[in-house]
Amino acid sequence: QKEVEQNSGPLSVPEGAIASLNCTYSDRGSQSFFWYRQYSGKSPELIMFIYSNGDKEDGRFTAQLNKASQYVSLLIRDSQPSDSATYLCAVNFQGGSEKLVFGKGTKLTVNP
Amino acid sequence: NAGVMQNPRHLVRRRGQEARLRCSPMKGHSHVYWYRQLPEEGLKFMVYLQKENIIDESGMPKERFSAEFPKEGPSILRIQQVVRGDSAAYFCASSPRRDTVHEQFFGPGTRLTVL
Repeated sequence: QKEVEQNSGPLSVPEGAIASLNCTYSDRGSQSFFWYRQYSGKSPELIMFIYSNGDKEDGRFTAQLNKASQYVSLLIRDSQPSDSATYLCAVNFQGGSEKLVFGKGTKLTVNP
Repeated sequence: NAGVMQNPRHLVRRRGQEARLRCSPMKGHSHVYWYRQLPEEGLKFMVYLQKENIIDESGMPKERFSAEFPKEGPSILRIQQVVRGDSAAYFCASSPRRDTVHEQFFGPGTRLTVL
């Protein structure tokens, strides 16, 4: 059973702080890793994807991947109240067709 | 450029009835994925379809659930004889072709409530 684990939170940070979201996965053969943001009652929205070890930056967001530790994280710099949402980590496992396996999500609240 | 469309957005059924959920992929996309999200849970993969083909149905419950993506028209997820445990948000995603998992875009979802 291929699994993706996230801390359910809630994670609360003050406005302007760095929010750090973490995710671990069970299968070393995993190929690609995704972070989605989901506002309450809405559909998931892709923020970033990462394939290679290291960091990938896009604006205020940085994804970090460590395949040896089977660990992927998302950093949100200069957090804004509009970043308050549930963040879903998803993994595409090798040999698992095109499907994504999602974690349960971490609820982030950014306090003004 | 229209995104993934799903209808209905909200569906209420009584136990034992049938539910039909429709998904129209983005223009130019020929691959469709269905996911289910139970309350306070993450998304669970159900089925992956290409036009007229089921590629991966490893997440589909063995009974009462079926999916199709005909040559013409939307993809349909069909749930027969619904039970209260089927109440969830059902999301469809589409991508243009194989090996474009990073281009899976989600529709707004159908919220199914079983009374």
